[in-house]
Order: sequence, then C-alpha cells, then structure tokens
Amino acid sequence: QQQVKQSPQSLIVQKGGISIINCAYENTAFDYFPWYQQFPGKGPALLIAIRPDVSEKKEGRFTISFNKSAKQFSLHIMDSQPGDSATYFCAATTGGGNKLTFGTGTQLKVEL
Amino acid sequence: GAVVSQHPSRVICKSGTSVKIECRSLDFQATTMFWYRQFPKKSLMLMATSNEGSKATYEQGVEKDKFLINHASLTLSTLTVTSAHPEDSSFYICSARAVERAFGEQYFGPGTRLTVT
Repeated sequence: QQQVKQSPQSLIVQKGGISIINCAYENTAFDYFPWYQQFPGKGPALLIAIRPDVSEKKEGRFTISFNKSAKQFSLHIMDSQPGDSATYFCAATTGGGNKLTFGTGTQLKVEL
Repeated sequence: GAVVSQHPSRVICKSGTSVKIECRSLDFQATTMFWYRQFPKKSLMLMATSNEGSKATYEQGVEKDKFLINHASLTLSTLTVTSAHPEDSSFYICSARAVERAFGEQYFGPGTRLTVT
C-alpha cells in the first residue's frame, strides 16, 4: 500500500500556539519522510525530513516526531506565527530519492 | 543551495498549440527530475520521472505523447504539453533530486501556471 494519510485537512491555531499535523503510512519499505511547506501559487519547499532510525528531529521551531511501530509521523510547529500560514504536505519514499508519495495536505492558518 | 527554477512562471495559450516548460537545477546536478501536476487545493500528482539521457517513466494514466519530457542534461528537463486543451490548464511543478545529498532530497521549482483558452 503506497498511500500516506494526512490529518487534519485544515487547522486554525492562535499565534504562539503549537500546530500539529499527523501522517500515517502502510508501506514499511518507506525510509525517508520529508515535510513540505507550500504557499499559494508557489512550489513546495522542503521544510524538514527524518529517517526511521531516529524518533525525533528538531530544526528551529519545527519538530518531526516519528513512531516506527505505529507507522506514524507528525510535524509540530512551535510558537506558530501568521507567516507559517500555508499548506503542509507530508511525504514518504523508499531507497533514497525515488518518487515521493504525498499526503493530501493540511491548510494551516495562524490567527493573531 | 538546492535551487530549482522553472520558466515560464505563467503561460496562456490557445487550444491546439504546444507549450514548453523548462526546469533547471541552478546549483546542483540532478540525474533525476520529476514532473507534477497540482489542482487547486489538492495534493501533487506525479506525472513522470525523467532521468538524464534516458526516456521518461510516466505514471499510469498520463499520456506520454501529450506530455513530452526531455532530460537532456544534468541541470535541465523540459515538459512540452502538445496540442493543449482547456482541461490541461493546471499548475505544473518540477522537482530535482540532489545527487550529492545522502538521501536524495527532492527540491521543487516555483511552478508554472498554464491556462489554455
């Protein structure tokens, strides 16, 4: 099964709050899990990525939590800012750089 | 680093004409490039994978004679939409796989908005 399920579809968070987006996968062969941020009319930008040999990766305000046994991973955005308002896609791939399987996307809105 | 450009960013063409979209990796070599199509508020749909110097691999349901892909060098891939029709109007995005990166991260271009009238 190649699907990656992403939730929620949309999310509204207050400025300074924590945004949490979840993804689940079935294919145990996936070995690379990137998150992309996309603003309207722009291409996706690589935000942060993780391999299954670690359970957490943090880069600035962005953290990926990875649960290999549950086949789930999530993106946490700490101290969310209005500038973080965008669509976020999780993805997964096998074998280091093969085609990405994308989640359905989450529209995040951070309100003042 | 890892910048991918696309040209043009926006194009309007008449039904029946062909349109070429260029994708370039500006500061890295990309043996593999990917072409996606995205509809409003939807996820990215992979159309094809192109490897430098070889024929592209198309996803199921994508017409290879309609969407011609050429990957002539390590920094350039082109997508030509032939005999475009209004239903081909969409946002087309390319990505390039960075060879020298350990896990082959993909970096995306800014996209090309195609409108067929």
